[in-house]
Amino acid sequence: QVQLQESGPGLVKPSQTLSLTCTVSGGSISSGNYYWSWIRQPAGKGLEWIGRMYTSGTTNYNPSLKGRATISRDTSKNEFSLNLSSVTAADTAIYYCARVDYGAPGRYFDYWGQGILVTVSS
Amino acid sequence: DIQMTQSPSSLSASVGDRVTITCRTSQTISNYLNWYQQKPGKAPILLIYAASTLQSGVPSRFSGSGSGTDFTLTISSLQPEDFATYYCQQSYSTPRTFGQGTKVEIK
Repeated sequence: QVQLQESGPGLVKPSQTLSLTCTVSGGSISSGNYYWSWIRQPAGKGLEWIGRMYTSGTTNYNPSLKGRATISRDTSKNEFSLNLSSVTAADTAIYYCARVDYGAPGRYFDYWGQGILVTVSS
Repeated sequence: DIQMTQSPSSLSASVGDRVTITCRTSQTISNYLNWYQQKPGKAPILLIYAASTLQSGVPSRFSGSGSGTDFTLTISSLQPEDFATYYCQQSYSTPRTFGQGTKVEIK
């Protein structure tokens, strides 16, 4: 059973960089036909896809974030991370990490972390 | 980006009712459409993938249909545990996009 767990600061100051880590157990982030993704959800609102990293290390990002997002990984720890620079209050949200089974017919998000609330405030 | 339009944005229904939620995409996506259920304080869970395939463990009262740009999620007989918010999501192209959600409330 694959499990994902987000961790990181719950409070970030405006203009600083938000840094979160997703620790994966029950599966390797560097093998198989999977994407490892970040998704966020402002309170009371819908879901926004931030970006993803393939098992090869290739990344894709949502253009709406205007180059502020970077996804990286530490394969020795089986973790992948999100850095979001120059944050504003609009980046306050619950951040989820999730896996995509790219070999499946629907290429769906099959495993999700529990989510972590990040508030941007001085 | 592919725009997703879900309707209605909310609905009130009674236990036992048949509920239908629609999702329209701004361009054709074949059957690359997934449906998720989200309860307050929880991550979304997958209900339907590839437009019409029921995820393992999901009750058979949930069903999905559609192809191209128009899709439907149907709950044949609403149960108390089904009161939640439902999202469609396209997996045809990046950036991946979600519908704005449909909140199903108790009547």
